[in-house]
Amino acid sequence: AQKITQTQPGMFVQEKEAVTLDCTYDTSDPSYGLFWYKQPSSGEMIFLIYQGSYDQQNATEGRYSLNFQKARKSANLVISASQLGDSAMYFCAMREVDTGNQFYFGTGTSLTVIP
Amino acid sequence: EAQVTQNPRYLITVTGKKLTVTCSQNMNHEYMSWYRQDPGLGLRQIYYSMNVEVTDKGDVPEGYKVSRKEKRNFPLILESPSPNQTSLYFCASSPGLAGGRSYNEQFFGPGTRLTVL
Repeated sequence: AQKITQTQPGMFVQEKEAVTLDCTYDTSDPSYGLFWYKQPSSGEMIFLIYQGSYDQQNATEGRYSLNFQKARKSANLVISASQLGDSAMYFCAMREVDTGNQFYFGTGTSLTVIP
Repeated sequence: EAQVTQNPRYLITVTGKKLTVTCSQNMNHEYMSWYRQDPGLGLRQIYYSMNVEVTDKGDVPEGYKVSRKEKRNFPLILESPSPNQTSLYFCASSPGLAGGRSYNEQFFGPGTRLTVL
């Protein structure tokens, strides 16, 4: 079974609108971390946001927030007020703490912001 | 400047010719890792290391070797490269693996694009 599933290969959003990128995960480890990364066309990987499995509040970093629904095993990324520079690939990832500290990435979502 | 460096950035080689991709970080990070990125597959972890002399297999370790003799360096070795190892490779490091963003944030190198003919 896939550890991380991103079901949206491509998304479009109008500039200044909000967009949600979906991510579901699969783990039986009670302790884990969830991450989102951005990869612009230039290729570098940029860390966006982190959520720990025991964190009570949803993580926020500026215009990025992580909608963490533990019972549904969902960790969607919400980008508010989209900008043209947000056009990129976005990857969801997970680290399982008790079962080896390996990282698992999803297949990514390509976001295009339309002026 | 805090960074993860990889060399070379681009490499074209032939099947069977041993190669090493170097990775170095100057942030005194405990955790280092190698990934390969292929279209439609996302990033897949090859090997990781939680400390000096400690390495573990990720999802796709076959055909690769690593070593962690010093904290700052984590080279990736392809003893006998094959065309299916043509990929974009990333090295990454993070301070450690305790809780919270400060320990978990992975810093990525710029990537190495490898072509095996």
